[in-house]
Amino acid sequence: ETGVTQTPRHLVMGMTNKKSLKCEQHLGHNAMYWYKQSAKKPLELMFVYNFKEQTENNSVPSRFSPECPNSSHLFLHLHTLQPEDSALYLCASSPRQGPISTDTQYFGPGTRLTVL
Amino acid sequence: AQSVAQPEDQVNVAEGNPLTVKCTYSVSGNPYLFWYVQYPNRGLQFLLKYITGDNLVKGSYGFEAEFNKSQTSFHLKKPSALVSDSALYFCAVRDSFSGNTGKLIFGQGTTLQVKP
Repeated sequence: ETGVTQTPRHLVMGMTNKKSLKCEQHLGHNAMYWYKQSAKKPLELMFVYNFKEQTENNSVPSRFSPECPNSSHLFLHLHTLQPEDSALYLCASSPRQGPISTDTQYFGPGTRLTVL
Repeated sequence: AQSVAQPEDQVNVAEGNPLTVKCTYSVSGNPYLFWYVQYPNRGLQFLLKYITGDNLVKGSYGFEAEFNKSQTSFHLKKPSALVSDSALYFCAVRDSFSGNTGKLIFGQGTTLQVKP
C-alpha cells in the first residue's frame, strides 16, 4: 500500500444527501490533492492543499467543498450532487507542491461514488 | 499550454514479448515526466519518473522509460511482458516553467492487455 487511505471505498447517495469523503496519509507529506476519475476521461485535478492552505481550485462546483484540518487529513464534503458526479474520487499526497517541486504524488485507493 | 497525449487507448501484447506504451508531451519549460499504473478498483501506483540526467529511467516491476527531448516523448517499455502487467497506464507531466503552479497533467490512459 502507498500510505494513503480513503474511506469509504464505495458510496451511494441520493441527490439531496450530504456525505463526506475522508483521506488520511501516513507519509509525513505536506501537500494533498483531490482528483476525479470518470470513465474514458483523463484524471481531473479538483483541489490542492499545501501546508493546509488551499492553493488550487480547478473551477469545481460549490457542491464539492474541501476541508484540510491538518497536513495528514483531507475531506471532501458533498451536497446536492448530480448523477454526472458519479466517479472514482482519488486522494493523493506529496512532500510539497509548487512550480519547482519534482515530488512524486502517492495515491489512495479511491472512493467509488454513485449518485442516484 | 501543458498537455500529455497517449495515442493508443489499448495495447495488446503476448506474454513474454516486449511492450511499449506511448506518451508524448508539450510543456513550456523543462518537463518532469511520470508513469503510473492503475489496477482494477485500485488507486494509481507510481512506476517511475524523469527529472533530469540519464534519458533511460528504470522503475518498479521491471519497467523503464526513455525520455526523448527531440521527439517530446516518454514511452514506457518492458522487455518481457507478464499477464499480471495487464492494467491501465497513465503518463503525466509537470512543467518546470516558473509561471505554473506545478500541477500534474495526466494523459487519458492506455489499457495494456497481456495475453498468455
